[in-house]
Amino acid sequence: GQNIDQPTEMTATEGAIVQINCTYQTSGFNGLFWYQQHAGEAPTFLSYNVLDGLEEKGRFSSFLSRSKGYSYLLLKELQMKDSASYLCAVREKYGGATNKLIFGTGTLLAVQP
Amino acid sequence: EAQVTQNPRYLITVTGKKLTVTCSQNMNHEYMSWYRQDPGLGLRQIYYSMNVEVTDKGDVPEGYKVSRKEKRNFPLILESPSPNQTSLYFCASRALLAKNIQYFGAGTRLSVL
Repeated sequence: GQNIDQPTEMTATEGAIVQINCTYQTSGFNGLFWYQQHAGEAPTFLSYNVLDGLEEKGRFSSFLSRSKGYSYLLLKELQMKDSASYLCAVREKYGGATNKLIFGTGTLLAVQP
Repeated sequence: EAQVTQNPRYLITVTGKKLTVTCSQNMNHEYMSWYRQDPGLGLRQIYYSMNVEVTDKGDVPEGYKVSRKEKRNFPLILESPSPNQTSLYFCASRALLAKNIQYFGAGTRLSVL
């Protein structure tokens, strides 16, 4: 089976740095995604990791350690508009070429002035 | 503009009255999927389709049907809606190759009375 854990809520201050952790247990790991979702809106793609290490994209970075089943999303220079839910999703390979995306329940980030 | 379009955005209905939520994508993606999102449970996959006339159950398929007669369209059908199907629904699509980022529609908020 699969299991994805991430904190339910986090609070941070505008201009600061925040790290959102995600741990997972899955068979057939085939990549990890981070999505941002504002309340009532569609999830939008932030980052993708399939190999160990850090992927940087502007103010957002994502790290993966496959041996530890661990990822984090790092948000720098926080802005009020970063207040949203952040979803960790693991792509699991099964049944030959079929891939399935399993989502965590999300971390609700509140950025305060 | 590349997008996933779902309609309606909001729907209030009564128990037992059949309804269809449409989903269309203009990216020529092979893979399409339906999710429901409920507080504390995250995104859960209802059905998915790998290509035209190829559909399969996700994690929570009970009470739902889908069809994939054309590559761009993937409607979600509730033959006899019940109150426990009150939820926020998302359609998503992705290519089968490469990084295959999943793109989401804007969501359909369904209330079954």
